[in-house]
Amino acid sequence: QMQLVQSGAEVKKTGSSVKVSCKASGYSFTYRYLQWVRQAPGQALEWMGWIIPFNGNTQYAQKLQDRLTITRDTSIDTAYMELTGLRSEDTAMYYCARSKDPYGLEVWGQGTTVTVSS
Amino acid sequence: DVVVTQSPLSLPVTPGEPASISCRSSQSLLNSHGDNYLDWYLQKPGQSPQLLIYLGSIRASGVPDRFSGSGSGTDFTLRISKVEAEDAGIYYCMQALQGSPITFGQGTRLEI
Repeated sequence: QMQLVQSGAEVKKTGSSVKVSCKASGYSFTYRYLQWVRQAPGQALEWMGWIIPFNGNTQYAQKLQDRLTITRDTSIDTAYMELTGLRSEDTAMYYCARSKDPYGLEVWGQGTTVTVSS
Repeated sequence: DVVVTQSPLSLPVTPGEPASISCRSSQSLLNSHGDNYLDWYLQKPGQSPQLLIYLGSIRASGVPDRFSGSGSGTDFTLRISKVEAEDAGIYYCMQALQGSPITFGQGTRLEI
């Protein structure tokens, strides 16, 4: 079945970087959008950006575009989300999700907790 | 960015009764092909979100038919015909208008 499996929880220092992976299985990784969404504790969902693995095209949320990079490795059906210059407000659960188009996030990963502290 | 505003933010309901959640967009989400770029998601406690409705009114695979989405342009509604205990959680609308960053609503907590 279609599945996205994310890497494990991370604890980071303020100002450092984090890279979270998302491995796809059970579908054609190359031709579907792979999106990243985060959720701070007790807060709403926040869209971060997407990548089209086929051509590497990306779109990022404006507030994150200076610190966020989404990449992929099609040889292992894996996407990555790297966030630099971490701040306490980046403490959140980070989800990857697959969609056929920019809308309709139909398969979600299990989430990766990122905790940022000084 | 397109702002989507949900109401109410909290909705207490009794099992078997209907429920509805509103989502209003700051810009029309209707494209020239007649598609509305509005999704609905449910996040149950401790779980990842799950897709309920996409393009305003199309139920995702496996979603019970008690869930329905309606609306067009800037005003959308998610309806549950008869609420069940398993429907508890936070409901989010999400807009994906072409050419604009994706944005989510604030969420509506359905309390049963």
